Amino acid sequence: QKEVEQNSGPLSVPEGAIASLNCTYSDRGSQSFFWYRQYSGKSPELIMFIYSNGDKEDGRFTAQLNKASQYVSLLIRDSQPSDSATYLCAVNYNTNAGKSTFGDGTTLTVKP
Amino acid sequence: EAGVVQSPRYKIIEKKQPVAFWCNPISGHNTLYWYRQNLGQGPELLIRYENEEAVDDSQLPKDRFSAERLKGVDSTLKIQPAELGDSAVYLCASRQGPGSGNTIYFGEGSWLTVV
Repeated sequence: QKEVEQNSGPLSVPEGAIASLNCTYSDRGSQSFFWYRQYSGKSPELIMFIYSNGDKEDGRFTAQLNKASQYVSLLIRDSQPSDSATYLCAVNYNTNAGKSTFGDGTTLTVKP
Repeated sequence: EAGVVQSPRYKIIEKKQPVAFWCNPISGHNTLYWYRQNLGQGPELLIRYENEEAVDDSQLPKDRFSAERLKGVDSTLKIQPAELGDSAVYLCASRQGPGSGNTIYFGEGSWLTVV
């Protein structure tokens, strides 16, 4: 079992809809959680990070964390075709160490 | 401000040949990472440096891979000899340091094809 699990997709949503991306992790001691976006042929870029249980909003993006369920999600509101990419979930066991364990990503396609 | 710079961007080599990748992190970033990303998978950490010290190299295949970060700035990752299974994207990333909020910045990657 991988330490960080994501549905590989592809996930397809119409333009303007809400895209919901999910991630589960196995290490209950994990402290910090990250969502990266990776366009085809490009390197990952950080979208959001979250440390505490609950929701964190940044523009059209909302990260949700539930440590009891070992679950983190990313919601993208008003999805745009430019959001079409692979979304990588990353988890740090030790915040100061900065060692991120990545999931294999979920591919999102937003159809005009 | 310049981002993380990697070279070469693309490399095609025959198996058993050596190859080296170079990385220049963001200025002032003490933490440097080398990740490997296979097609359809997430990045996998190979080695992490804090300044010039390799503090986590547990995932580095030491029989054929080596890395160095002299003077705590630039870094090189070498593979010798390369195998077909080494074909992947090698990503360098940097972070300011512990307690910096953990924002990691990735370079564009070095795409390796071993034939």
